[in-house]
Amino acid sequence: AQSVTQPDIHITVSEGASLELRCNYSYGATPYLFWYVQSPGQGLQLLLKYFSGDTLVQGIKGFEAEFKRSQSSFNLRKPSVHWSDAAEYFCAVGIQGAQKLVFGQGTRLTINP
Amino acid sequence: DVKVTQSSRYLVKRTGEKVFLECVQDMDHENMFWYRQDPGLGLRLIYFSYDVKMKEKGDIPEGYSVSREKKERFSLILESASTNQTSMYLCASRTETPYEQYFGPGTRLTVT
Repeated sequence: AQSVTQPDIHITVSEGASLELRCNYSYGATPYLFWYVQSPGQGLQLLLKYFSGDTLVQGIKGFEAEFKRSQSSFNLRKPSVHWSDAAEYFCAVGIQGAQKLVFGQGTRLTINP
Repeated sequence: DVKVTQSSRYLVKRTGEKVFLECVQDMDHENMFWYRQDPGLGLRLIYFSYDVKMKEKGDIPEGYSVSREKKERFSLILESASTNQTSMYLCASRTETPYEQYFGPGTRLTVT
């Protein structure tokens, strides 16, 4: 069965610093890949997605992610974080023909002023 | 704009009560989902529905049931609430392709 691993439960970065959140998946073929963000007390908002084509995808709020097939990874990046980026981030995998997404455990991001 | 709404943001229920969580989407999506979210466990799928009156069990269906009588509405039912069902419940609906899910704001349920 497919699985998604986010190795970092909690990350703290300083405002203005760069950010990389890791996501690894286990699946034989190329899946659909998503990053969602959840602000405190809110539902999940889609940041970006990858289905095919260019392996570097741009999302909202200045985020980008790169699909690396050889590493089965889809890491999320931002060159300079803002205090408003403090939230929980979820990576998710969808399989073509399947009905559901599989989510990672989430990474909580804290921003130091 | 896509919109998924959930009937309550916060609920407090007693053990043994029957609990209904309602979810409505306005996007004419056929697929709808119920998840629960617990710290350190991420999102776990309870049930999903791919059409009116059609449903499938997710990863943790025990203690829950669902109802989908109309396309826009998907209800999660706790037949007899227990304390281990205290959690955040998230509803989502999904496009056909490419499987983008849109989430409601969540219902934080406390069972005492």
